[in-house]
Amino acid sequence: AQTVTQSQPEMSVQEAETVTLSCTYDTSESDYYLFWYKQPPSRQMILVIRQEAYKQQNATENRFSVNFQKAAKSFSLKISDSQLGDAAMYFCAYRSASVSRGSNYKLTFGKGTLLTVNP
Amino acid sequence: KAGVTQTPRYLIKTRGQQVTLSCSPISGHRSVSWYQQTPGQGLQFLFEYFSETQRNKGNFPGRFSGRQFSNSRSEMNVSTLELGDSALYLCASSLTTGGRLETQYFGPGTRLLVL
Repeated sequence: AQTVTQSQPEMSVQEAETVTLSCTYDTSESDYYLFWYKQPPSRQMILVIRQEAYKQQNATENRFSVNFQKAAKSFSLKISDSQLGDAAMYFCAYRSASVSRGSNYKLTFGKGTLLTVNP
Repeated sequence: KAGVTQTPRYLIKTRGQQVTLSCSPISGHRSVSWYQQTPGQGLQFLFEYFSETQRNKGNFPGRFSGRQFSNSRSEMNVSTLELGDSALYLCASSLTTGGRLETQYFGPGTRLLVL
C-alpha cells in the first residue's frame, strides 16, 4: 500500500519570502501522480500543482514549483513570493495513474502542513 | 465549466438517524470519489464510482454506502449515525482518459454534525 508522509505539521513564512514544504512517499509502482492540494480555513480544497512520475521535469505553476526526486521518493513544494492568500493547510497526495490497477483509484493523502503567512 | 457541487453544505443530525449527501461532478467527469475528513484521522477514502459501478471501497463499516446515477451524479448514505461520523465529507470528480486516471477536483464538502 502507498503511504504519504508530511513531516512538518506547521510552517510559517514572512510575506514575500520563500517557503518549502516537504513530502515523502512510498510506493512500488512506477506510474503515478503526485499532487499538492491547498485547503484554506473553512474553504474548498483546490489543486495547486501536479507531477507525473514519468516526467523528469519538475512541474511549475506561477509561484509554485516542486522538487520531484523519484529515486528518493521525495516531492517538496516551493512557494515563492509568499502572499497572505497562501495561508492554508497543504496536503501532499499520491494516486496511481493506471486504470488497470483496480485497487488504487483513491488519493492517498499526507496529514497536511498548516502554512501561516506573516505580514 | 461549473465545478463539483455538493448538497447540503451543512447538516445536523442525531445519533441513530440516517443521512444522504449528494454530489454533482464536473460536466464530463464520470468518476466520483468520496472522502471523510476529520481532525484526528485526516482524509480517508470512502469509495469511488465510475459509470454507476463502485470500483473501490475504503475501510469503512457497511453503514456507509453510495451509488452513482446515469448522469454521473452520486449520493452517499450513512445509516444509524454515530457521534464519530461527524466530519467534513468531500466529493471529488475526475476524468478517465485512455486508461489513465486523471486529476481529482474537489467540491466544497458537506459538514455533518451528529449530536
